[in-house]
Amino acid sequence: EAQVTQNPRYLITVTGKKLTVTCSQNMNHEYMSWYRQDPGLGLRQIYYSMNVEVTDKGDVPEGYKVSRKEKRNFPLILESPSPNQTSLYFCASSWVSTGELFFGEGSRLTVL
Amino acid sequence: EDKVVQSPLSLVVHEGDTVTLNCSYEVTNFRSLLWYKQEKKAPTFLFMLTSSGIEKKSGRLSSILDKKELFSILNITATQTGDSAVYLCAVANAGGTSYGKLTFGQGTILTVHP
Repeated sequence: EAQVTQNPRYLITVTGKKLTVTCSQNMNHEYMSWYRQDPGLGLRQIYYSMNVEVTDKGDVPEGYKVSRKEKRNFPLILESPSPNQTSLYFCASSWVSTGELFFGEGSRLTVL
Repeated sequence: EDKVVQSPLSLVVHEGDTVTLNCSYEVTNFRSLLWYKQEKKAPTFLFMLTSSGIEKKSGRLSSILDKKELFSILNITATQTGDSAVYLCAVANAGGTSYGKLTFGQGTILTVHP
């Protein structure tokens, strides 16, 4: 089954404790991206990747890192999480950056 | 800075009504506009529009793009309670240093009462 898988789906952590949210797709998509969703603000792009070893900042990259060492995986790293990073995070992939996105189920992160 | 604005932000209707959702945009290098429906979880794809004036249809949903006036509308006819969701509009940038950027609007919350 074609899918985008994120883990963990739910996480409560404390300020400053490094964490990684994994994202994996099995559709051989070249484009992958991360979004955060906050009430009233819609989806905001954090980082995106056009292909392996190619990553770029979206609109809200501060406090986040990404890497794209393999085509299928695009982890989101919070080196020192802060409470303002409490949010719902979505990973998505597509064949091209301008086409239909396939979303993961979302990861709800709470930073205390 | 790329910008996408959706209106209205929320809408409450009764089953059978027709609704029109709006999406206006300012993007440096427009490539495509996409509509998504989000219920309790991940957004699901509805339409992708790249050319002005060509209507896309899927059942009771339809959408059209006006690249001159920089907006798109999503129409839903004969609404049903299952149409209750957040509708998201997004614009893809395909030029220069912003190639690959995707900007979403705030979303329109549609509630359909029986």
